[in-house]
Amino acid sequence: GEDVEQSLFLSVREGDSSVINCTYTDSSSTYLYWYKQEPGAGLQLLTYIFSNMDMKQDQRLTVLLNKKDKHLSLRIADTQTGDSAIYFCAEARYYGGATNKLIFGTGTLLAVQP
Amino acid sequence: DTAVSQTPKYLVTQMGNDKSIKCEQNLGHDTMYWYKQDSKKFLKIMFSYNNKELIINETVPNRFSPKSPDKAHLNLHINSLELGDSAVYFCASSQELRAGELFFGEGSRLTVL
Repeated sequence: GEDVEQSLFLSVREGDSSVINCTYTDSSSTYLYWYKQEPGAGLQLLTYIFSNMDMKQDQRLTVLLNKKDKHLSLRIADTQTGDSAIYFCAEARYYGGATNKLIFGTGTLLAVQP
Repeated sequence: DTAVSQTPKYLVTQMGNDKSIKCEQNLGHDTMYWYKQDSKKFLKIMFSYNNKELIINETVPNRFSPKSPDKAHLNLHINSLELGDSAVYFCASSQELRAGELFFGEGSRLTVL
């Protein structure tokens, strides 16, 4: 199908690690992305990974990519209350010509308890 | 200095009316987009423009008409509004067509009564 799937909700305690999972559909996607949406705001790019990588680390964020299973995850170390938001994975799907279109996942609401 | 700005932020209107949402970006980007986010937070692309040219036109009713007077502006006009049009509409921009880093506006919440 066309859908990029994520679990709906994750609740963690402050200081714990959070792992948000995503299953995408297009094995030819060259880049995969994680976006964050805070309440009442637009989406903001957090990080991305190129499809020939298995892992990318960026400060508290670790992205893992399993191409065989088309599975992407975002790990947030030492989760803070300010990390509470909706997290979207996205794949860049070829549209035609020189164009990709970003297909966003269903979003995961991360709630961080103090 | 806001990078991608949309107006209005909130819009409440009756069924059957026509309304417009405006978007401007000051990032010097070539490509602009409209996305629709429904009440379940699903985010779906509607249109994209590159240097004023329509590039992506997803399955969107004809009642939705985007217009790009120049590459810094992309407006969305909606005719004969229906209840199902209620959503948050996000404008975004990117440096080029294939770019995956999109810069989003804060969204325009449309409520159709």
